[in-house]
Amino acid sequence: AQSVAQPEDQVNVAEGNPLTVKCTYSVSGNPYLFWYVQYPNRGLQFLLKYITGDNLVKGSYGFEAEFNKSQTSFHLKKPSALVSDSALYFCAVRERGSQGNLIFGKGTKLSVKP
Amino acid sequence: DGGITQSPKYLFRKEGQNVTLSCEQNLNHDAMYWYRQDPGQGLRLIYYSQIVNDFQKGDIAEGYSVSREKKESFPLTVTSAQKNPTAFYLCASSSPRDGYQPQHFGDGTRLSIL
Repeated sequence: AQSVAQPEDQVNVAEGNPLTVKCTYSVSGNPYLFWYVQYPNRGLQFLLKYITGDNLVKGSYGFEAEFNKSQTSFHLKKPSALVSDSALYFCAVRERGSQGNLIFGKGTKLSVKP
Repeated sequence: DGGITQSPKYLFRKEGQNVTLSCEQNLNHDAMYWYRQDPGQGLRLIYYSQIVNDFQKGDIAEGYSVSREKKESFPLTVTSAQKNPTAFYLCASSSPRDGYQPQHFGDGTRLSIL
């Protein structure tokens, strides 16, 4: 069965420092991987996706994510955090070639302090 | 601009009452989804529809019903059988033919019990 794990409920970072939000996945085949961000009382906004090719994917607002097949991970990163990056972040996976739906992690709350 | 509109933003339900949440999209997407979001539990799939006049149960369909009479619309009814309806409900859409396309989300409806 497909699954996604976000091992940290909350990540705290000082403004200007690099941030990492972790995600590991389990699928039987090759995955499509996604990151979304959610601000309070809003829907999810798409940040970036991994389909194929370069393992380092760049997305919106300066975020990037690194696909690591051997570790089945897709960690979200940003070189320099902003207070406005504080939000809830979701990782999601779908098995390539399947008609299955997206499977979401439980979310990680990112808090960036000035 | 294309997008997904959910209404109302806040909804209150009395005991024994059915309530309907609206979701409309103008993205010309074939697939539409309903998720329930509870704190610390991520997103759980209630129902989804890949095409007009067809829909399937997700992981937590009990106590909910949907219809898909038009491509643009996918209303969700929370019935009196749903004993714990208090949650944030999110509607999403996507182009299912391309499994790597991200889902687009509305801004949600927050349902509470009176």
